[in-house]
Amino acid sequence: NAGVTQTPKFQVLKTGQSMTLQCAQDMNHEYMSWYRQDPGMGLRLIHYSVGAGITDQGEVPNGYNVSRSTTEDFPLRLLSAAPSQTSVYFCASSYGRYYTEAFFGQGTRLTVV
Amino acid sequence: AQKITQTQPGMFVQEKEAVTLDCTYDTSDPSYGLFWYKQPSSGEMIFLIYQGSYDQQNATEGRYSLNFQKARKSANLVISASQLGDSAMYFCAMREPQGGSEKLVFGKGTKLTVNP
Repeated sequence: NAGVTQTPKFQVLKTGQSMTLQCAQDMNHEYMSWYRQDPGMGLRLIHYSVGAGITDQGEVPNGYNVSRSTTEDFPLRLLSAAPSQTSVYFCASSYGRYYTEAFFGQGTRLTVV
Repeated sequence: AQKITQTQPGMFVQEKEAVTLDCTYDTSDPSYGLFWYKQPSSGEMIFLIYQGSYDQQNATEGRYSLNFQKARKSANLVISASQLGDSAMYFCAMREPQGGSEKLVFGKGTKLTVNP
């Protein structure tokens, strides 16, 4: 029972490089989301999806793209990395009802130099 | 305006004592869910407890209980008989229907340190 799987766990990028953080879940959850965690800021929502083919912006979407072609996968793309995107990134999934908890991946620690 | 407010950046408690972590929330929706997550130093997010807006009783899960005061819009986490392994960051979060988007919004967290 894998749950939510994020890859990679660690990544160092140079300013201007692009990369994709991968997220996959095997619980058939409708709802998936990406958060970033910065010291003293808690978790802030970047993008989310309520189902395959449907995505929307969260609180801090600038500099990130997402797509949801399947129920299982929800990749997060950084098109041109900036030092301000140095953070820990979490992917989460849930059944998408307000009374259901979210399950989180292990996180990706990204450093942009 | 912040949806979730955790006013205690850090808390200290002696092992075996109880501790209360504060959380207040802001919503005009009658339907919502409140969640507490634990984040140990290893970094993973662990779901602890849930309280629904329509629940009549306070939620409990083992040593965790939620002191839910709806009129005050507070959802404090109570940890009884603290253990050294309870040392971690604790996040309060809320989810509202919001026309189907049901975003989960987090507070900034409280760092709990359990002293032996």
